[in-house]
Amino acid sequence: QKEVEQNSGPLSVPEGAIASLNCTYSDRGSQSFFWYRQYSGKSPELIMFIYSNGDKEDGRFTAQLNKASQYVSLLIRDSQPSDSATYLCAATNSGGYQKVTFGTGTKLQVIP
Amino acid sequence: DAMVIQNPRYQVTQFGKPVTLSCSQTLNHNVMYWYQQKSSQAPKLLFHYYDKDFNNEADTPDNFQSRRPNTSFCFLDIRSPGLGDAAMYLCATSRDPAGGQETQYFGPGTRLLVL
Repeated sequence: QKEVEQNSGPLSVPEGAIASLNCTYSDRGSQSFFWYRQYSGKSPELIMFIYSNGDKEDGRFTAQLNKASQYVSLLIRDSQPSDSATYLCAATNSGGYQKVTFGTGTKLQVIP
Repeated sequence: DAMVIQNPRYQVTQFGKPVTLSCSQTLNHNVMYWYQQKSSQAPKLLFHYYDKDFNNEADTPDNFQSRRPNTSFCFLDIRSPGLGDAAMYLCATSRDPAGGQETQYFGPGTRLLVL
């Protein structure tokens, strides 16, 4: 069974600090990986996607992918209270990119 | 703005009373998905359409059906809602997974309450 694992948290960081969110996946054939932010009671919002090993930066967000270790992470620099949300990691399924598997999410709390 | 729209945003129904949730998209994406999400859980894929091709998940109950009459619209029908079907229902689209454009974009969701 394809799985995406995340620590449920909550992960608490002070305002201005770096938040580090981690995700592991079991499907070695997964090629594409996504981070979504979900505020309570709202739908998931795409933050970043990454296909290649290494780092990908977009503003305050950096996604890191290590396919050998089957590990994806999201770093949020200069964390703001508005970043407080649940962050979902997702990975495409091997054998067809139509579907992705989601993790249960990590709840992030940024303390002012 | 191109987007994914879901109606209604909140739906209250009675136990056993059929309900239909609607999703529309102006993105002209090939694939439309329906997910069920309960509190503190991952979104659970119910089914998806790749163009007109319907793909049901093996563990989706028969109580859940879907229709896609055209590219823009997709409906989720719950024939006899039970208390356990109370959840957020999320519609998502992706442009062309076979062409490497598999990123999914979500609508705002419909929160279903079953009394």
